[in-house]
Amino acid sequence: EADIYQTPRYLVIGTGKKITLECSQTMGHDKMYWYQQDPGMELHLIHYSYGVNSTEKGDLSSESTVSRIRTEHFPLTLESARPSHTSQYLCASSVASGHNEQFFGPGTRLTVL
Amino acid sequence: LAKTTQPISMDSYEGQEVNITCSHNNIATNDYITWYQQFPSQGPRFIIQGYKTKVTNEVASLFIPADRKSSTLSLPRVSLSDTAVYYCLLSGGYNKLIFGAGTRLAVHP
Repeated sequence: EADIYQTPRYLVIGTGKKITLECSQTMGHDKMYWYQQDPGMELHLIHYSYGVNSTEKGDLSSESTVSRIRTEHFPLTLESARPSHTSQYLCASSVASGHNEQFFGPGTRLTVL
Repeated sequence: LAKTTQPISMDSYEGQEVNITCSHNNIATNDYITWYQQFPSQGPRFIIQGYKTKVTNEVASLFIPADRKSSTLSLPRVSLSDTAVYYCLLSGGYNKLIFGAGTRLAVHP
């Protein structure tokens, strides 16, 4: 089993609130990713990181921000949640070299009322 | 950016072999082809990856023709627990992580 964790698993929150979705991995992977997935739809990459202090935007524009202060931790923040942010957010990690397998966390299902 | 195309859904029965084809006409030279499986309320899980010809592991085989414009995931003797969504992914670098729409496989008794 992959050692990548996401909290919370489910979050229901009101419009305008600031939220942080946590993602941690204990595998020492340099690469980390955040994907957004609506029910029954494909995954879209919204953020990725090469390593500590490296963050990049993915192919889907997102109002969220990320940080990578520690190798094992890659939190995603929404400063002001809106109903359009309702979705599932999936975190993943992989080793740095080559085209390696991504290990996914269980996801956070976010509902903004 | 290169995209992939897969059948939206497939049905099979326990014990049968299932082949899911993915089209990627604009695949780049440095793209690898990777397949993931996803169950409801879970993150995707890696199944297999290849660059060309044939790759086989303990759960599946991946067939890639010489032109690399398509690939076929083969699941031998499926069971009910193989009911899931299967994604075809091109991975050519950090900014080319493109998941297909996925194929919903339903395995029936």
